[in-house]
Amino acid sequence: GDSVTQMEGPVTLSEEAFLTINCTYTATGYPSLFWYVQYPGEGLQLLLKATKADDKGSNKGFEATYRKETTSFHLEKGSVQVSDSAVYFCALSGTGYSTLTFGKGTMLLVSP
Amino acid sequence: DAGITQSPRHKVTETGTPVTLRCHQTENHRYMYWYRQDPGHGLRLIHYSYGVKDTDKGEVSDGYSVSRSKTEDFLLTLESATSSQTSVYFCAISETSGYNEQFFGPGTRLTVL
Repeated sequence: GDSVTQMEGPVTLSEEAFLTINCTYTATGYPSLFWYVQYPGEGLQLLLKATKADDKGSNKGFEATYRKETTSFHLEKGSVQVSDSAVYFCALSGTGYSTLTFGKGTMLLVSP
Repeated sequence: DAGITQSPRHKVTETGTPVTLRCHQTENHRYMYWYRQDPGHGLRLIHYSYGVKDTDKGEVSDGYSVSRSKTEDFLLTLESATSSQTSVYFCAISETSGYNEQFFGPGTRLTVL
């Protein structure tokens, strides 16, 4: 079945550092890929998505590129802020499916 | 923000008691989902609905049932709560299938003693 693997956290960074959170997936066909973010005490919200190979999703300074050859969708940001501290989830939607498969989440902690 | 509410937001109950969680949406979206979130497991799908009275099981459906009698409401029932069902429960909605964004509610924290 479909699966998503994320790097374990927490990831601890200083403000203005470069961020990478790794995400790899296993799926048949051509899944859509997503990054969701969860701030403390809240539900998840979509950060960005990509629906086909080589697509780049971007939002709020975050980017991720759909790499089919390496089955990856790594999240990057050039300069993190304290307000980016949250849990980040990588997810996929398989071809023809109406559900999402989530990774276990990666906590990001940014200090001033 | 998408119009999704969950009730109650917090609940403490005892083992063996029935519990019903409610998800209410004002977006008229077709798809509704129930997830549970546990440390080390991320989000896992319990049940989902693709229309009124149309539901299907997710990854961790044992011990849970759902009902959807109206487009706007999706109920999750624990017939006889167990301590292993202590978790944070999230409802989500989606206009169409998985290619589209899911919008999440604020969550319900359930503690089963």
